[in-house]
Amino acid sequence: AIQMTQSPSSLSASVGDRVTITCRASQGIRGDLAWYQQKPGKAPKLLIYAASSLQTGVPSRFSGSGSGTDFIFTISSLQPEDFATYYCLQDYNYPLTFGGGTKVEIK
Amino acid sequence: QVQLVQSGAEVKKPGASVKVSCKASGYTFTSYGINWVRQAPGQGLEWMGWISAYNGNTNYAQNLQDRVALTTDTSTTTAYLELRSLRSDDTAVYYCARDRYCSDTTCPPGGYWGQGTLVTVSS
Repeated sequence: AIQMTQSPSSLSASVGDRVTITCRASQGIRGDLAWYQQKPGKAPKLLIYAASSLQTGVPSRFSGSGSGTDFIFTISSLQPEDFATYYCLQDYNYPLTFGGGTKVEIK
Repeated sequence: QVQLVQSGAEVKKPGASVKVSCKASGYTFTSYGINWVRQAPGQGLEWMGWISAYNGNTNYAQNLQDRVALTTDTSTTTAYLELRSLRSDDTAVYYCARDRYCSDTTCPPGGYWGQGTLVTVSS
């Protein structure tokens, strides 16, 4: 199975900050990567698919990039509602595998 | 509107089985598959498997494939997850999620998820 290494596991940031999360795959996965946001007690929410495509209805401050093994997720200007845990997911092949998650906390 | 409504919380003893349902509405059930994802308390997300509602094809996580079975009932537009030989580390919230599309290789979770079902395994 493809291993997804996500970093950092947590970070503290202020409203308005630019936040960057990375995900590295153990082998090349083309651009077959998605990013999800999860708030406590809620189901995950799809933000980005195909590495850089914004899901309908998701604010443009969220973006993704990368291909092959290295991927970046960015929040350009952190908003209060963005404090949550973020996960990457490789959907290149089965079994699908998630990264370990990044908890974004208020500084 | 698309909705996935899951069955309620369950408490099971080790060694027992559990069957979680996911009732779909608001779309053509057989046009999409269903993924199942679980989350142990305080832990990350774990993909468990996927089933096509069109033809019943499945893919399972390797560590679960001996204990898990995914099925669908097209007459009631409901997907089911059955997990056998439950252990304490199966305690988790279980989510169903409609796939967003199928690439040439996979059908990953998309924008529609159930509310989650807590399964507690305890003696």
